[in-house]
Amino acid sequence: EVQLVESGGGLVQPGGSLRLSCAASGFTVSTNYMSWVRQAPGKGLEWVSVIYSGGSTYYADSVKGRFTISRDNSKNTLDLQMNNLRAEDTAVYYCVKKYSGSYFDFWGQGTLVTVSS
Amino acid sequence: DIQMTQSPSSLSASVGDRVTITCRASQSINSFLNWYQQKPGKAPKVLVYAASSLQSGVPSRFSGSGSGTDFTLTISSLQPEDFATYYCQQSYSIPYTFGQGTKLEIK
Repeated sequence: EVQLVESGGGLVQPGGSLRLSCAASGFTVSTNYMSWVRQAPGKGLEWVSVIYSGGSTYYADSVKGRFTISRDNSKNTLDLQMNNLRAEDTAVYYCVKKYSGSYFDFWGQGTLVTVSS
Repeated sequence: DIQMTQSPSSLSASVGDRVTITCRASQSINSFLNWYQQKPGKAPKVLVYAASSLQSGVPSRFSGSGSGTDFTLTISSLQPEDFATYYCQQSYSIPYTFGQGTKLEIK
């Protein structure tokens, strides 16, 4: 059974950093496309980043240069390093498995990141 | 970036009604269009992928159609558990943009 469990969310001050982690089970992270999708409180879904099985990474313009997606093959985890956080980064962050080049087929339960002083 | 526009933004309907939600892309995305359902406090789940393919386990009252720039999600006979927010999403090109959502409420 595929499971994705995020951790690492919390309250951080503007300009601060946070690292999210997603523990995967039931499949191998490194052989799949993996993404982060976020949802600000009461708002819609926003794609954040993807890492392809080959290692290529891509980002939304809103986070480019501040966020870094990576994976730990030995732990079968997906990470998101978030630097220089802004109030507008406040959201629930979902770890998501992408089915080949197509849709997001499995989602974690989400972890809340709050950027506030 | 490809912009995805859903209509309506909200919809009131009754159990048993037939409901259609529309999604329009700002440029052609062939059939790279997916539909998700999200209930309050829960993660989204995929209903339809590649415009018209029903995800395994999703009830047959859900269907999707369209190609190019115009797509629809239809629920043939609304059930109580279908009241939720629905999102379209294009997987044609990065960034993988979502529509703004359609909130389906009980009339």
